[in-house]
Amino acid sequence: AQSVAQPEDQVNVAEGNPLTVKCTYSVSGNPYLFWYVQYPNRGLQFLLKYITGDNLVKGSYGFEAEFNKSQTSFHLKKPSALVSDSALYFCAVRDMTGGYQKVTFGTGTKLQVIP
Amino acid sequence: GAGVSQSPSNKVTEKGKDVELRCDPISGHTALYWYRQSLGQGLEFLIYFQGNSAPDKSGLPSDRFSAERTGGSVSTLTIQRTQQEDSAVYLCASSSWTSGRAGETQYFGPGTRLLVL
Repeated sequence: AQSVAQPEDQVNVAEGNPLTVKCTYSVSGNPYLFWYVQYPNRGLQFLLKYITGDNLVKGSYGFEAEFNKSQTSFHLKKPSALVSDSALYFCAVRDMTGGYQKVTFGTGTKLQVIP
Repeated sequence: GAGVSQSPSNKVTEKGKDVELRCDPISGHTALYWYRQSLGQGLEFLIYFQGNSAPDKSGLPSDRFSAERTGGSVSTLTIQRTQQEDSAVYLCASSSWTSGRAGETQYFGPGTRLLVL
């Protein structure tokens, strides 16, 4: 069975500082990893994904994530946080084992960027 | 429209009543997903459709929950005899996944906020 863990319910960071939102995963096959963001009173939006290739993936709004196979992690990062980055962030994993593509989401991490 | 749409946006119902939630995916998207998001909780997978068939119904919480999809497009999630614990935001997503292309992105609708009194 596949699973995703986001160990932090909330992350607080000062505006202008680098931010990291953590995600670890467990799959039986090759992982396909995603980050989504949910702004207040809005639907989930795709940020970035890792399928194969370069371990550092760049996405929307200046975010990036690093795939680390040995640590089974896919942490989301941004060099300089903005107040507008404050939102709920979800990590997700898809495993093709079994022939269909169930996606499992983490419980989410609330990012609060402090002016 | 260009995105995934869901209706109604809000639904208030009394305990014991049945409700139907509708999802209209992006045109041409073959895969459709239903999730539930409760206050303070993550996304709980409910069911997934590939075309009109549902290979994975493992997430449906009980036999009061059912879903169907017709014509490879619109899907309806039905909750019978609603309970207060069913109160949540129900999200629908679609993707253009085809066999072997597991990297397809899901596009989410705005959700239906259900409140069971």
